[in-house]
Amino acid sequence: EAGVVQSPRYKIIEKKQPVAFWCNPISGHNTLYWYRQNLGQGPELLIRYENEEAVDDSQLPKDRFSAERLKGVDSTLKIQPAELGDSAVYLCASSSGTGFTKNIQYFGAGTRLSVL
Amino acid sequence: SQQGEEDPQALSIQEGENATMNCSYKTSINNLQWYRQNSGRGLVHLILIRSNEREKHSGRLRVTLDTSKKSSSLLITASRAADTASYFCATDAGGSEKLVFGKGTKLTVNP
Repeated sequence: EAGVVQSPRYKIIEKKQPVAFWCNPISGHNTLYWYRQNLGQGPELLIRYENEEAVDDSQLPKDRFSAERLKGVDSTLKIQPAELGDSAVYLCASSSGTGFTKNIQYFGAGTRLSVL
Repeated sequence: SQQGEEDPQALSIQEGENATMNCSYKTSINNLQWYRQNSGRGLVHLILIRSNEREKHSGRLRVTLDTSKKSSSLLITASRAADTASYFCATDAGGSEKLVFGKGTKLTVNP
């Protein structure tokens, strides 16, 4: 079974430019998460989807960040315009099931963003 | 904000030794998990312990949970160079479906 797939793995852009990240979760996983991980820190949740509905986007900076999960499968996360402070690793994760098993998340390898 | 705090921030040991990492958290939980992250990779789930459990084993891993102290520990026995990674605890922060991660412990196992 394929794991969570993210692309690109690396992205270098200049500030004020737009950037987009793509995620394909594990087949059958209804719940999808986007995290940001700063250097030396743990991941912090940006947004959580249940199927195509964003059920928790309270930590998403909505002035410049947007996300979508059309058809409840793949998802994209966009930043426009990017700022220097957006440099980080952006991780996608997915999960399935009910109860406590739903808390077990499967992560992609992440996209390392560098904003110059 | 990050709920869990791992201790120590960094740990360096020799192959064959045991490694112990600790995690403290702030709010009540239904379960606590430990994840591993190799350099430049995503996180991998290691073990989940429920709030009504005190200890759990998986291979060379042993996890304890003390809900009265809001703390957990991860013990890796007979460590190997391949165990070199960062280890994170994650809690469900009051029973929500949202995971809150700590800052992690960076473990280096020297051959």
